[in-house]
Amino acid sequence: QQQVKQSPQSLIVQKGGISIINCAYENTAFDYFPWYQQFPGKGPALLIAIRPDVSEKKEGRFTISFNKSAKQFSLHIMDSQPGDSATYFCAASDSGGYQKVTFGIGTKLQVIP
Amino acid sequence: DAGVTQSPTHLIKTRGQHVTLRCSPISGHKSVSWYQQVLGQGPQFIFQYYEKEERGRGNFPDRFSARQFPNYSSELNVNALLLGDSALYLCASSPNPRSYNEQFFGPGTRLTVL
Repeated sequence: QQQVKQSPQSLIVQKGGISIINCAYENTAFDYFPWYQQFPGKGPALLIAIRPDVSEKKEGRFTISFNKSAKQFSLHIMDSQPGDSATYFCAASDSGGYQKVTFGIGTKLQVIP
Repeated sequence: DAGVTQSPTHLIKTRGQHVTLRCSPISGHKSVSWYQQVLGQGPQFIFQYYEKEERGRGNFPDRFSARQFPNYSSELNVNALLLGDSALYLCASSPNPRSYNEQFFGPGTRLTVL
């Protein structure tokens, strides 16, 4: 069962454009929503994370938007650069339990010059 | 500072064999988690260990087992390998199970089962 649904699975954006990746979750116990970036041959690296008590979090060119009532959250990458080309995973976790992170299927982003 | 290290980098086994994967956490990190990442999918949680005790287990068969040593390094063991066990096995470490923004992943071990 897919507890965190992610779309699209692949995305091509021109340099300077905005990349948008969407996720939805089912488990209302989730209260920590990280995004990971993974380059080929590397493990996932934490990019940015949000808790449901805020609706938006921005770090540099990366912004998470969070809609608790709809159980949806999204990642916006502003001014996308070729170096942003990677696979992005949304994820969710229940901080009341052990440190299990449930990942989405991933979005392969390609930023073309 | 060294990040999370995993060994071996790559491994090829045949069906029915046993495999042991190793993980060394970041210095000072006492919590280690294991994930399986099948090609084209997101990582799936297998185990979490903290202070040498299993604190969480994902939906994996009993063929999968793990342990954590006094120096906080960890081993993941898989018995009776199946073709479907072919995946990238990731280890992540953090200071403790509550340190969600301080969980770092290693580069993984690529296991191929023939």
